[in-house]
Amino acid sequence: AQSVTQLDSQVPVFEEAPVELRCNYSSSVSVYLFWYVQYPNQGLQLLLKYLSGSTLVKGINGFEAEFNKSQTSFHLRKPSVHISDTAEYFCAGNSGNTPLVFGKGTRLSVIA
Amino acid sequence: DTGVSQDPRHKITKRGQNVTFRCDPISEHNRLYWYRQTLGQGPEFLTYFQNEAQLEKSRLLSDRFSAERPKGSFSTLEIQRTEQGDSAMYLCASSQLQREVSDTQYFGPGTRLTVL
Repeated sequence: AQSVTQLDSQVPVFEEAPVELRCNYSSSVSVYLFWYVQYPNQGLQLLLKYLSGSTLVKGINGFEAEFNKSQTSFHLRKPSVHISDTAEYFCAGNSGNTPLVFGKGTRLSVIA
Repeated sequence: DTGVSQDPRHKITKRGQNVTFRCDPISEHNRLYWYRQTLGQGPEFLTYFQNEAQLEKSRLLSDRFSAERPKGSFSTLEIQRTEQGDSAMYLCASSQLQREVSDTQYFGPGTRLTVL
């Protein structure tokens, strides 16, 4: 069975500093990976996805992620964060056209 | 495209009452998923449809829960005899089935249920 682990429950970072949110997955079959962002009392917004091809994936709002098969990771990065990036971030995966399995989320707090 | 919409956004009910939530997917999307999210956790899968067929139900979906997608468009999720443990955010997502790679699921704003 597939599982997704987000290693940090909370990440505080100063404004304009870089950030990395970590995500590891386990799966014995093909894996597709996604990052979503959730602002308070809202649904999930898709940031980026890895389906195939280039392992470096660029998403919205300046975020990117790298699929690393040998380390079974899909870490999310942004070179310079803004106050508006404060939110909950979820890593998720599936084996293709199946329900998503989510990590527990990482709360990113950007400090002015 | 308009996005996924859910109604109501908030629902407060007393224990033992029945509640029904509605989800309208992105038009032309043939897949529709329901998830439940409790405080401080990631969403957990409940059930999903391809067109009007319900393809899978999670063990989380007790017999008090029922979902339908009668014409392959909107879907309803009903909870009978609500319990305090049902308090959560109920999220709906829709997608278009893909042949070679995975579908991409787009989420609605959710319905927050509070059971008193």
